[in-house]
Amino acid sequence: GAVVSQHPSWVICKSGTSVKIECRSLDFQATTMFWYRQFPKQSLMLMATSNEGSKATYEQGVEKDKFLINHASLTLSTLTVTSAHPEDSSFYICSASTGGSFGYTFGSGTRLTVV
Amino acid sequence: GQQLNQSPQSMFIQEGEDVSMNCTSSSIFNTWLWYKQDPGEGPVLLIALYKAGELTSNGRLTAQFGITRKDSFLNISASIPSDVGIYFCAGHSNTGNQFYFGTGTSLTVIP
Repeated sequence: GAVVSQHPSWVICKSGTSVKIECRSLDFQATTMFWYRQFPKQSLMLMATSNEGSKATYEQGVEKDKFLINHASLTLSTLTVTSAHPEDSSFYICSASTGGSFGYTFGSGTRLTVV
Repeated sequence: GQQLNQSPQSMFIQEGEDVSMNCTSSSIFNTWLWYKQDPGEGPVLLIALYKAGELTSNGRLTAQFGITRKDSFLNISASIPSDVGIYFCAGHSNTGNQFYFGTGTSLTVIP
């Protein structure tokens, strides 16, 4: 159990366009989801905590108007990178809390390349 | 966001050797977790620790939640080639419901 599906697994977009990444909990309800960004050979940096039905909590230095997070249901959170630029190219990973003994399960990540 | 201090940054060991890595934080956490990440994949949970002083094993892996709640260690015994990867510690705080990762330990096992 406790499977998190992330889609797409990779995306290439033109500079200035927006990209939406989906994170779904397949077999459990997740009241909280976390979004991370990971640059090559670096650790995961928390971007924001997404709570179902309320506004996301962003980490310091993360632009909330650029990285729009929507957690409209207990099984789906989305991250939209608006007006993407090459420096936004990164590996984006979500995780969901089961609230139980499974800990925090991660999606398989989305490789975003902005050209 | 906050990042936990993890050491060592990288390790090169012979197959069969034991491995130890640790993680420290300036903040108290309620939960410590250890993950392994393969290239291009999301992290996979290895061990979760929920109580200060807790010592938990998962096969050849053993992890402990420090008494001060500000540190944790992970041991891998009798390493094998498939243990290669990057290991991350992570801490969760109930206050603010935040979840932070360590800087990572890259493990290379030489057959």
